[in-house]
Amino acid sequence: QVQLQESGPGLVKPSETLSLTCTVSGDSMRSSYWSWIRQPPGKRLEWIGFISYSGSTNYSPSLKSRITISIDTSKNQFSLDLDSVTAADTAVYYCARRAPEVGYYFDYWGQGILLTVSS
Amino acid sequence: DIQMTQSPSSVSASVGDRVTIACRASQDISDWLAWYQQKAGKAPKFLIYAASTLQNGVPSRFSGSGSGTDFTLTISSVQPEDFATYYCQQANSFPPTFGQGTRLEIK
Repeated sequence: QVQLQESGPGLVKPSETLSLTCTVSGDSMRSSYWSWIRQPPGKRLEWIGFISYSGSTNYSPSLKSRITISIDTSKNQFSLDLDSVTAADTAVYYCARRAPEVGYYFDYWGQGILLTVSS
Repeated sequence: DIQMTQSPSSVSASVGDRVTIACRASQDISDWLAWYQQKAGKAPKFLIYAASTLQNGVPSRFSGSGSGTDFTLTISSVQPEDFATYYCQQANSFPPTFGQGTRLEIK
């Protein structure tokens, strides 16, 4: 059974960098692409970006200037860094797996981690 | 970005009712559409992809249809565990985008 688990701080100060990690179990990271998705309180889901096993990335144009997604295949982990956070970045952050071979859908998700930006 | 718009924003139903949720894309996405179910405080659950293909393990009371710009999710006989928020998502082009959600509430 594929499982994903987000970890990171729950609170970040404005202008600082948010760093989150997703640990994948039950699957090889070669199997697919790995994404970050967020959901501000009461709002729709927003795709942030993805990374492949080889390290190739694709980022949301609206966030591209502030994000870096990296992968550590030896630990079965991938990470998100989001620079210069503001209150608008307050959200539940999910990591998710692209459904292999059927298109850019998301078949397995982590439970989500609430990140609050506040001083 | 492709904009996804769902209607209605919320719907009330009783157990056993048939419920239909609509999703409209701002441009033609062929059948590159998924549906997810999200319960409060939980991650979304992948229900349907390619507009009408049920993910493994999803009950057959769920069905999806449509192509181009207009899509529907139908629950043929709502069960107590179906009360949740449903989201559509387009996978035709980057970035993937989601609808604003439709909340299915108990009448």
